[in-house]
Amino acid sequence: GAGVSQSPRYKVAKRGQDVALRCDPISGHVSLFWYQQALGQGPEFLTYFQNEAQLDKSGLPSDRFFAERPEGSVSTLKIQRTQQEDSAVYLCASSLLAGSSTDTQYFGPGTRLTVL
Amino acid sequence: KQEVTQIPAALSVPEGENLVLNCSFTDSAIYNLQWFRQDPGKGLTSLLLIQSSQREQTSGRLNASLDKSSGRSTLYIAASQPGDSATYLCAVTLNTGFQKLVFGTGTRLLVSP
Repeated sequence: GAGVSQSPRYKVAKRGQDVALRCDPISGHVSLFWYQQALGQGPEFLTYFQNEAQLDKSGLPSDRFFAERPEGSVSTLKIQRTQQEDSAVYLCASSLLAGSSTDTQYFGPGTRLTVL
Repeated sequence: KQEVTQIPAALSVPEGENLVLNCSFTDSAIYNLQWFRQDPGKGLTSLLLIQSSQREQTSGRLNASLDKSSGRSTLYIAASQPGDSATYLCAVTLNTGFQKLVFGTGTRLLVSP
């Protein structure tokens, strides 16, 4: 496909379960971002990859959150021992370049996570 | 810490009206400012990007302005249409070496036929 895809689109987890969210960026895009969007709020930055290197993970809320991009393409965001406050839409975005202030980020449709 | 605020939170107008959405940010040290559109169940789409050295950008019926010194931006939508109904998000890019975005909470727009 031409755009950023994410799977699953919806995920319901019981409190304490581990979840894994997948992002397929646009082919050839160097930069990949994860954001968390709570209901009624704007997206908040979680982490940034340049190819396979995780250059910034300052937005990850706790050590239960872990992200990887081992081959510099597909990325996975893993949340361990989910809590109700983790319920949100998780957005992935990719951009062609690295370190550019004018490069466009292309967003996926997001994964809506609900923790019961 | 950079904070971005958008006013109003929600807006309902009849078709054909011109309207203005407001965005303010606390730290003027930004690379650029972007306006995004978000439709329910879909990702964000970039509408306009204004570099820090620019004062405005236009695309069709949309015009965005930037006053970096006062920490303000406005998005002007001319002759609104029902298809413009969506949430509009403002985001600033921080000087971090990569495009780290800080978003506002958005303005939910409803344009009635």
